[in-house]
Amino acid sequence: SAVISQKPSRDICQRGTSLTIQCQVDSQVTMMFWYRQQPGQSLTLIATANQGSEATYESGFVIDKFPISRPNLTFSTLTVSNMSPEDSSIYLCSAGTSGSYNEQFFGPGTRLTVL
Amino acid sequence: AQSVTQLDSQVPVFEEAPVELRCNYSSSVSVYLFWYVQYPNQGLQLLLKYLSGSTLVKGINGFEAEFNKSQTSFHLRKPSVHISDTAEYFCAVRYANDYKLSFGAGTTVTVRA
Repeated sequence: SAVISQKPSRDICQRGTSLTIQCQVDSQVTMMFWYRQQPGQSLTLIATANQGSEATYESGFVIDKFPISRPNLTFSTLTVSNMSPEDSSIYLCSAGTSGSYNEQFFGPGTRLTVL
Repeated sequence: AQSVTQLDSQVPVFEEAPVELRCNYSSSVSVYLFWYVQYPNQGLQLLLKYLSGSTLVKGINGFEAEFNKSQTSFHLRKPSVHISDTAEYFCAVRYANDYKLSFGAGTTVTVRA
């Protein structure tokens, strides 16, 4: 298993600003992902964070709005840029190993409120 | 595209009563199936998973689920719930040749004394 921590746990931000969320895993993992959970909704995959290359974004998400870094096998950041109230969500990091039997472990999430 | 349907958005249940949360998926290929639980103000925790083998899967906290390939279902059950089982439950599916999870909309379980 993997233990995942996220910082910050919550934040309240002003419209037009940017916030960077950090995700740290306690062991080396192949795959890291970022999800968004809007109020009362399920999880939507934003992107797969690739180590040493650009992240792979899902339909509806773009790098300019959600730049992602992954400098090594245990750490990733997600930036929410030029925020608007519609970006108010919980952002979750997850991680796992590749292979047929992998499972994803989730961080506690970052609760973001944009005013 | 794969999709996951959780048929009940809200399930109120009395303490010590049984509960079943329904999950159906659409797929014509092999899938791996998961149930996650999200307690208030927390992240997701894996309850159980079906990868292969026995279709009845036992997980943590007394939960179990049964994979039914012909009905493309993976319903979650617990014979006797506790107040502490109050949470959001998510069914998730992954294709055998993919790494991405698709989540259902979630089922809110509220356990009352």
